[in-house]
Amino acid sequence: DQQVKQNSPSLSVQEGRISILNCDYTNSMFDYFLWYKKYPAEGPTFLISISSIKDKNEDGRFTVFLNKSAKHLSLHIVPSQPGDSAVYFCAARPEGSTLGRLYFGRGTQLTVWP
Amino acid sequence: DVKVTQSSRYLVKRTGEKVFLECVQDMDHENMFWYRQDPGLGLRLIYFSYDVKMKEKGDIPEGYSVSREKKERFSLILESASTNQTSMYLCASSSASGSSYNSPLHFGNGTRLTVT
Repeated sequence: DQQVKQNSPSLSVQEGRISILNCDYTNSMFDYFLWYKKYPAEGPTFLISISSIKDKNEDGRFTVFLNKSAKHLSLHIVPSQPGDSAVYFCAARPEGSTLGRLYFGRGTQLTVWP
Repeated sequence: DVKVTQSSRYLVKRTGEKVFLECVQDMDHENMFWYRQDPGLGLRLIYFSYDVKMKEKGDIPEGYSVSREKKERFSLILESASTNQTSMYLCASSSASGSSYNSPLHFGNGTRLTVT
């Protein structure tokens, strides 16, 4: 059963606008959340993360919001650029785990058009 | 900068062959992982290892085995390749140390395996 869900397989946004990618999770024991970006023929690269004790983390154009009560997080990209076109994976880690095992969503393909 | 190197970018193998996928990391990470990525299915964990000679099954271990004889190297083995194992295989590593508790996974560039 999918513990991390990305219900939108694709998102198309015009350059300069905001991109909002959503992620839901079912396991309340997750305490750390990450977003990865993946270009074709490359491995995923780490983008931004947030601990469960926070509700927002910002890094340049990228902001992640966490709503623990709703078990929902979102990634905001402002402004969106064509180079942001990629597959974005949401991931979560169980509390107390040092094994580094992450649970991934199925990904959202973001397309930013000029 | 962490580097995770997968020995092959593309592989074509025949059904029934034994296939070895090799992965090496250069950051002395304790944890290493093998995922496969398929369209619409995301990243699924096959096996992981948290120490030399240690291994744990992930979500889809059937048809695979792994070997970790040295800390920096983690091999994925397809005992008898089948067409449904055609996929992108991704190796990753992470640190388990306290100062790097929130260390993210670092991925290699992947091996695209085709089984015919």
